[in-house]
Amino acid sequence: DAGITQSPRYKITETGRQVTLMCHQTWSHSYMFWYRQDLGHGLRLIYYSAAADITDKGEVPDGYVVSRSKTENFPLTLESATRSQTSVYFCASSESTGGETQYFGPGTRLLVL
Amino acid sequence: GQNIDQPTEMTATEGAIVQINCTYQTSGFNGLFWYQQHAGEAPTFLSYNVLDGLEEKGRFSSFLSRSKGYSYLLLKELQMKDSASYLCAVRRNTNAGKSTFGDGTTLTVKP
Repeated sequence: DAGITQSPRYKITETGRQVTLMCHQTWSHSYMFWYRQDLGHGLRLIYYSAAADITDKGEVPDGYVVSRSKTENFPLTLESATRSQTSVYFCASSESTGGETQYFGPGTRLLVL
Repeated sequence: GQNIDQPTEMTATEGAIVQINCTYQTSGFNGLFWYQQHAGEAPTFLSYNVLDGLEEKGRFSSFLSRSKGYSYLLLKELQMKDSASYLCAVRRNTNAGKSTFGDGTTLTVKP
């Protein structure tokens, strides 16, 4: 079924390790986003991308790296994981910047020990 | 920057009506979204307001007043499955599609 998927769904890692979270969408949406959601809080934007090879920082980009070589993929890398990066990570996509909603992936639950 | 305020928690009774408020302060307003998020799941779109007034979709309605920096989500004929977090998100016209989210309101519907 088409849509937006994330992998892995659950990840446990150790402080200092590099971790990559994958996001794939089949709608050919131009815009893609990475958010983190900490327990009891709303979503905070990490990075976003307006098109392939175009990315920009959000509210909380430190410690993260993104790339977008293909429209459908938007991986998020934690270069050296820290305990403060323990969170639920959501990827989202949208067709345009008008009234179009963002469609969210199922999330990746990351625990950094 | 943007400040978005929502009540943290609300409780209502099955069959009743509940109003969840959202106030915001921003420059270059370009629309307000409401999302529903069940525990352990991803947010899903409920409504979008860019002009003042009320938008109705079945049991859910959303209202916007741009001059007051105020929106509300109205849920009618509450059902147990409406127990969830409701997220208010504001988009600025300079931010190419980016939205800033409030912390969400956790609604508990009781029998």
